Amino acid sequence: GAGVSQTPSNKVTEKGKYVELRCDPISGHTALYWYRQSLGQGPEFLIYFQGTGAADDSGLPNDRFFAVRPEGSVSTLKIQRTERGDSAMYLCASSASGRTGELFFGEGSRLTVL
Amino acid sequence: ILNVEQSPQSLHVQEGDSTNFTCSFPSSNFYALHWYRWETAKSPEALFVMTLNGDEKKKGRISATLNTKEGYSYLYIKGSQPEDSATYLCASFGAGSYQLTFGKGTKLSVIP
Repeated sequence: GAGVSQTPSNKVTEKGKYVELRCDPISGHTALYWYRQSLGQGPEFLIYFQGTGAADDSGLPNDRFFAVRPEGSVSTLKIQRTERGDSAMYLCASSASGRTGELFFGEGSRLTVL
Repeated sequence: ILNVEQSPQSLHVQEGDSTNFTCSFPSSNFYALHWYRWETAKSPEALFVMTLNGDEKKKGRISATLNTKEGYSYLYIKGSQPEDSATYLCASFGAGSYQLTFGKGTKLSVIP
């Protein structure tokens, strides 16, 4: 399909392990966002890419979290030394036209840290 | 970081009833206001993007208004149907920022 694709849809891991979550945005969309949603909360901003560069990474909670988008398309969110508090739904969204363009979301990656 | 608030947190209505929710956001440094619908097991889907004070947008039975001077937006659903059951999220961009800040959402349940 032509929508935003996120893999894996579900990931169960043990505390302390390393995790990668992948986002494949809509072709041609230069803006890409990562959000995290915990139960009962709205999506929480993590990072925004414009092209290959992270234009705003101020939402990353700590240095265990890192994201890349090396070719300006697919993005990977990397979490080191996972903790139980990292358990959440991780959403990716892409947009063609900045802040007045709608965001197109993927179905999310549900991360559970045991 | 903006503070975006939505009310009510949840809402149950009978099929056929009309309903509305509120989103409040800081009126200073406003840039854009987004509304999304998030159905269970699906991805959030955009409803409206509004930027100008007094904007009114409509999509079928759903409409939204924007007041940037006082910092609020209303979402209206006319004649609610069971398929309208979802969480409705609003989000705001501040001027000079690319962080789209979301509220916690309003969960709507339409009872057949």
